[in-house]
Amino acid sequence: GAVVSQHPSRVICKSGTSVKIECRSLDFQATTMFWYRQFPKQSLMLMATSNEGSKATYEQGVEKDKFLINHASLTLSTLTVTSAHPEDSSFYICSARGRGDYEQYFGPGTRLTVT
Amino acid sequence: GQNIDQPTEMTATEGAIVQINCTYQTSGFNGLFWYQQHAGEAPTFLSYNVLDGLEEKGRFSSFLSRSKGYSYLLLKELQMKDSASYLCAVLDSNYQLIWGAGTKLIIKP
Repeated sequence: GAVVSQHPSRVICKSGTSVKIECRSLDFQATTMFWYRQFPKQSLMLMATSNEGSKATYEQGVEKDKFLINHASLTLSTLTVTSAHPEDSSFYICSARGRGDYEQYFGPGTRLTVT
Repeated sequence: GQNIDQPTEMTATEGAIVQINCTYQTSGFNGLFWYQQHAGEAPTFLSYNVLDGLEEKGRFSSFLSRSKGYSYLLLKELQMKDSASYLCAVLDSNYQLIWGAGTKLIIKP
């Protein structure tokens, strides 16, 4: 149990365009979802935390207007990278946590390349 | 501030034992996680400790001392597939995960 999927696994887009990444909890209700970014050879960096039905809480230094997060249901959260630039190229990973659960279950990640 | 320290890189031999240490200073403590992350992949859960002591799970064991702010991950009978980064993370008083930078473990034949 506790499976989290992400789509797409890889995406290449042109500078200036927007990209949407989906994160789904397949067999549990994710009351909280987390979005991370990881640059090569660096640790995970939390971008934002979202609770179902409410606005996401962004970490310091993360532009909320650039990284739009929607957690519309207990099984789906989306991250939209707007007006992407080459420096946004990174590995984006979501994780999900159920009500009363301490463990975060990770999706497989999305490799974004902006050309 | 909150801080988690672990070695950047370690090297060990196939079949041997390796211990990866993690020390932490966080605002509150609700448990400590160890995750394994292979290059280009998402982290996978290894262990969770919230009480002092040793938790054993197959070839992997995790130890916690809350009074010392210290944990270690012990890997026995190392296999080449154990080459990965090992991430220590602490659940703070707000139930947010605070991540260490990870330890890259290199296994040599």
